[in-house]
Amino acid sequence: GAVVSQHPSWVICKSGTSVKIECRSLDFQATTMFWYRQFPKQSLMLMATSNEGSKATYEQGVEKDKFLINHASLTLSTLTVTSAHPEDSSFYICSARASGTYEQYFGPGTRLTVT
Amino acid sequence: AQSVAQPEDQVNVAEGNPLTVKCTYSVSGNPYLFWYVQYPNRGLQFLLKYITGDNLVKGSYGFEAEFNKSQTSFHLKKPSALVSDSALYFCAVGDDKIIFGKGTRLHILP
Repeated sequence: GAVVSQHPSWVICKSGTSVKIECRSLDFQATTMFWYRQFPKQSLMLMATSNEGSKATYEQGVEKDKFLINHASLTLSTLTVTSAHPEDSSFYICSARASGTYEQYFGPGTRLTVT
Repeated sequence: AQSVAQPEDQVNVAEGNPLTVKCTYSVSGNPYLFWYVQYPNRGLQFLLKYITGDNLVKGSYGFEAEFNKSQTSFHLKKPSALVSDSALYFCAVGDDKIIFGKGTRLHILP
């Protein structure tokens, strides 16, 4: 149990375009989902926390107008990178947590390359 | 504020030997501590957690961790390392939001 999927697993896009990444909890209801960014050989940096049905809470320094997060249902959250630039190239990982629990279950990640 | 430190960037252990990956934490209040493992180009896999209870926590794949309140440590251990244990290990702390350490790369030498 506790499986989280991400789609796509990798994506290449041109500078200036937008990219949407999906995060799904497959066998549990995720009241809270988290989006992280990981640069090569570095740790995960929390970008934002989203609760189902409400606006995401962004960490300091993360542009909410650039990284649009939607958590429309208990099993799906999306991250849209708008007007992508090469510096947005990174590994984006989501995680999901069920209500009343502490463990986060992580998706396999999405590698974004902006050319 | 919460924080977690992993003092070693890399740990090398011969296969069959015991391994330890170090982690220290700083929290106000009771700590919620986690260990995760990451394989190349993959997401994180949950290994174990400490919320309350016994100081020795057993987790997946034969790993365990010892919570030491006086030393504010939560070191990850395994009695006998396998080559397949080679990966990147993250210690983390938090209840609502999880803060990750910088990671320790574990190399198990055949």
